[in-house]
Amino acid sequence: DTGVSQNPRHKITKRGQNVTFRCDPISEHNRLYWYRQTLGQGPEFLTYFQNEAQLEKSRLLSDRFSAERPKGSFSTLEIQRTEQGDSAMYLCASSFYPETGNTIYFGEGSWLTVV
Amino acid sequence: QKEVEQDPGPLSVPEGAIVSLNCTYSNSAFQYFMWYRQYSRKGPELLMYTYSSGNKEDGRFTAQVDKSSKYISLFIRDSQPSDSATYLCAFKGGYQKVTFGIGTKLQVIP
Repeated sequence: DTGVSQNPRHKITKRGQNVTFRCDPISEHNRLYWYRQTLGQGPEFLTYFQNEAQLEKSRLLSDRFSAERPKGSFSTLEIQRTEQGDSAMYLCASSFYPETGNTIYFGEGSWLTVV
Repeated sequence: QKEVEQDPGPLSVPEGAIVSLNCTYSNSAFQYFMWYRQYSRKGPELLMYTYSSGNKEDGRFTAQVDKSSKYISLFIRDSQPSDSATYLCAFKGGYQKVTFGIGTKLQVIP
């Protein structure tokens, strides 16, 4: 068990470009979450999956954001037409529902800087 | 009123001190209470998890929950410089979203 893995760890992109982040959850974990964290704030919920089904999306998740988990294992978060306000750390977390479903385990995060 | 209130600090204490970190919450649906530790530019790491009022101890850490007052605390005994980090309180109700406080930045001075 190597924990939640996120790639890339850092991404600098120009405004208007598209970026994609990948998350590999802890093996056997059926729930996967995406959060966003800006400096001085706690993580804010974006969306979560149970297996391949996306069960909830935050209103924070604008139309430029899309997340997928096609085979119920890894997930991708794509941001289209990036804006400077998208600069943040994007955190992925996973849990195994129901046994440990009330606690989520985070990866190291993917830092996005939009210039 | 915010769902979760947490003093951002920073809080500076000498090595060996007892640290008290606190959060208040307003959502009565919260049933599960967690504390995460986050080092600079790293992901949050789960420290403590509890679902009932009272105390839970794990080594130097004690989590305390008072549901009647909607107040949770984390105590760190014999604080060490390696405890310097941001501490996030987190809450979860019957639905699946975990709600976080903004975090308290702690510095333990050697």
